[in-house]
Amino acid sequence: GESVGLHLPTLSVQEGDNSIINCAYSNSASDYFIWYKQESGKGPQFIIDIRSNMDKRQGQRVTVLLNKTVKHLSLQIAATQPGDSAVYFCAEDYKGGSYIPTFGRGTSLIVHP
Amino acid sequence: DGGITQSPKYLFRKEGQNVTLSCEQNLNHDAMYWYRQDPGQGLRLIYYSQIVNDFQKGDIAEGYSVSREKKESFPLTVTSAQKNPTAFYLCASGRDRTYEQYFGPGTRLTVT
Repeated sequence: GESVGLHLPTLSVQEGDNSIINCAYSNSASDYFIWYKQESGKGPQFIIDIRSNMDKRQGQRVTVLLNKTVKHLSLQIAATQPGDSAVYFCAEDYKGGSYIPTFGRGTSLIVHP
Repeated sequence: DGGITQSPKYLFRKEGQNVTLSCEQNLNHDAMYWYRQDPGQGLRLIYYSQIVNDFQKGDIAEGYSVSREKKESFPLTVTSAQKNPTAFYLCASGRDRTYEQYFGPGTRLTVT
């Protein structure tokens, strides 16, 4: 089975709200976690990554939080916009710095104007 | 205009035929990857190459083959041995030792 999973397959929010996309992982040896965004009909786009020795990392309008105690990862998007509508994938590298991530199934984010 | 291109966008083949999917990048990236994506699923790694003339099997390599004769190109052949070839295929490239992969637009292959 997959070692990366998601709590919610679909998340609907109103434009301007903050979004939180969750991801559970099962491999405590994972060293890196990555978030990708995939718009319909396109290839995924890298958003942000975080190393296992960090708890939080911020990017432009996004924040990734890592809770190693409960093996949980989240992506927070501030002031969600219609252009944020996409499928979001979390991925992990549990092969010791192989730089080959294993992807989860994805969460669909729908932003209503 | 730098980027990664895949062609064609849609491809139709009869069962039993081999088919080759093209992937080209002009980003000067050392590493290239092929993934398969099925509806409602994440990406699964087929093959990857971290340097010219070398490639490694991913998690689902059976029924597929690749070559890496040039840095810019990493074609994927879906052979007749692949039992369920109908899928969305994504190619990616990246700088060595980074997690930031740049994906192409994908090729949707339908085999009937």
